[in-house]
Amino acid sequence: DAGVIQSPRHEVTEMGQEVTLRCKPISGHDYLFWYRQTMMRGLELLIYFNNNVPIDDSGMPEDRFSAKMPNASFSTLKIQPSEPRDSAVYFCASRKTGAVNTEAFFGQGTRLTVV
Amino acid sequence: QQQVKQSPQSLIVQKGGISIINCAYENTAFDYFPWYQQFPGKGPALLIAIRPDVSEKKEGRFTISFNKSAKQFSLHIMDSQPGDSATYFCAASGDTGFQKLVFGTGTRLLVSP
Repeated sequence: DAGVIQSPRHEVTEMGQEVTLRCKPISGHDYLFWYRQTMMRGLELLIYFNNNVPIDDSGMPEDRFSAKMPNASFSTLKIQPSEPRDSAVYFCASRKTGAVNTEAFFGQGTRLTVV
Repeated sequence: QQQVKQSPQSLIVQKGGISIINCAYENTAFDYFPWYQQFPGKGPALLIAIRPDVSEKKEGRFTISFNKSAKQFSLHIMDSQPGDSATYFCAASGDTGFQKLVFGTGTRLLVSP
């Protein structure tokens, strides 16, 4: 398996533009997580899905952020409109539940810069 | 109650020394405690994990010590090497009803040659 795949790796956009980040989880994993990482706040959980259903979106900072998981192999995180304070590295991670807790695997991240 | 508090924020250790990073939690529903290692430009990767039925787990130079009554756990890196220089995150989650991983704020470790 290629691991969790995120695209793009880098995104530079102007303030006010729509940004869409993409994630392909590891096949067979039923949990998908979106995290945001900044120097000031560390790793913040934005939202997570179980079997494509959003379970907890309490970490989504505001209505400008939305996430979808239309099927088990694809998820998007959208920011509309984007603002400079959204600049961060966004990570997607996936995990498979089993008899015991299992490892969450992270993608390489998308570095977003909003100018 | 869902927080995991991690310290120190940064750490400098000489090559061959012992690196110690501490974490504390409040939620007694947590029963899985992994440590993640992150190199610059990469996503976090699982380093070692422990469940509360044991007080210590060792894998090579890396050891987790777990104190259930104090709700604390720590990572010890023995014989620290420059290649260990990275950011380390502790995390916690539960088996049921709380599957999300809650991360500490991270510790930036620098091992000097």
